[in-house]
Amino acid sequence: EVQLVQSGAEVKEPGESLKISCKTSGYSFNTYYVGWVRQTPGKGLECLGIIYPGDSETIYSPSFQGQVTISADKSISTVYLQWTSLEASDTAIYYCARVVGIRHENHYMDVWGKGTTVTVSS
Amino acid sequence: QSVLTQPPSVSAAPGQKVTISCSGSSSNIANNYVSWYQQLPGTAPKLLIYDNDERPSGIPDRFSGSKSGTSVTLDITGLQTGDEADYYCGTWDSSLNTWVFGGGTKLTVL
Repeated sequence: EVQLVQSGAEVKEPGESLKISCKTSGYSFNTYYVGWVRQTPGKGLECLGIIYPGDSETIYSPSFQGQVTISADKSISTVYLQWTSLEASDTAIYYCARVVGIRHENHYMDVWGKGTTVTVSS
Repeated sequence: QSVLTQPPSVSAAPGQKVTISCSGSSSNIANNYVSWYQQLPGTAPKLLIYDNDERPSGIPDRFSGSKSGTSVTLDITGLQTGDEADYYCGTWDSSLNTWVFGGGTKLTVL
């Protein structure tokens, strides 16, 4: 069974750093992209970016380029989403999802993690 | 605003049919495959339709998708109260070089 298990909720202050995780199992980690998706009440779902663990190719959404870092550790089949300096506007639920499809044009997200709630407040 | 446009809400009575639309452009829907996601309250999104009109195993045939040009539609027949959820369309945008989603449609089963 394919599973994506995300780390627990975080409460941080503005300016702090944070790294959340998404541990995968049940499939060949190196051969599927994994994506990060943000959900905020006002903006619905937004994709931050996707990573291909096999060669660490990472594609960031233009809106999030330079704002976050996506990485992967093949030894433990885990993908990460990292911030160096959080802002209140980063408050959201963050989901990871496995991306299926040979080419970007036919990608879809078939299995999702349960989400990590990040709250940034002073 | 989202790159893909969906109606904010739709409603229908139990047993009826509802159609949710999603419109985009030549850089996304027209030339790429679209998927649909169902998000029940307090849960993560769940894949409902992929490759425009394919259902994953376990998804009932009450749910169907179609595509025409720069738009796609999700049809839900035989509505049940358990179908009350937010529904999102998503696809790759070849100009932005990223995944894009619609703003979501809240389905109310009256």
